[in-house]
Amino acid sequence: KQEVTQIPAALSVPEGENLVLNCSFTDSAIYNLQWFRQDPGKGLTSLLLIQSSQREQTSGRLNASLDKSSGRSTLYIAASQPGDSATYLCAVGGAGNMLTFGGGTRLMVKP
Amino acid sequence: NAGVTQTPKFRVLKTGQSMTLLCAQDMNHEYMYWYRQDPGMGLRLIHYSVGEGTTAKGEVPDGYNVSRLKKQNFLLGLESAAPSQTSVYFCASSTTPDTQYFGPGTRLTVL
Repeated sequence: KQEVTQIPAALSVPEGENLVLNCSFTDSAIYNLQWFRQDPGKGLTSLLLIQSSQREQTSGRLNASLDKSSGRSTLYIAASQPGDSATYLCAVGGAGNMLTFGGGTRLMVKP
Repeated sequence: NAGVTQTPKFRVLKTGQSMTLLCAQDMNHEYMYWYRQDPGMGLRLIHYSVGEGTTAKGEVPDGYNVSRLKKQNFLLGLESAAPSQTSVYFCASSTTPDTQYFGPGTRLTVL
C-alpha cells in the first residue's frame, strides 16, 4: 500500500525567503505526482503535475522535482510572499485511477 | 461554467440519521471522485466512478454508498451516520485520472 509523507507538517518563514517542501512515498511504481494548494475552507487547486518519466516541472516561482528511485519529491518556492500562505498537499497517482495524498504542509509567510 | 459544485456546504446530523451529498460538474468529465479529509491528514478516496452508471470502491468505502445515474452528478450517501464520519468531504472530476478538479467541500458533523 502506497504511503505518502510530507515534512514538515508546518512551516513559518519571513517574506522573501526561498523554501523547500518535502514529499516522500514508499512505492516507486507511480504514474505521476502532483502538488496541490489548499486555502482554509476551500477546495484543492492543482499547482504542478509531474509525469513518472519527468524529473521536474516549473510554473512561475514554483519548481517541483521528482526522484522516483528514492521515492522523493520537493516543491521549491522562490521569493515567498504572504499570499503563498496555505496548505500544500502532495499526491501520488497510482494504479486504479487513485491518488494517494500526504498529510500536507501548512505554510505561513509573514510580512 | 461553474466547475465542480457540492451541496450542501455544511450539515449537522445525529447518529443514525441518513443523508445524501450531491456533486455536480458541468465540464463533461467522465471520472468523478469522493474523498474525505480529516484534521492533519490528507484526502482519502471513498468511492469513484469512471463513467455514467459505474462506481468503484476507494480506500475507505465502508459506511458509504454512491450512485452515478447521470454523467454530471455523483451522489454520496450515508445510510446510518456515525461520529467517525465527521469530516470534510470533497468531490472531484476529471477527463483523465491525472488532473482532477475539486469542489469546495462539504463540512459534515455527526453528533
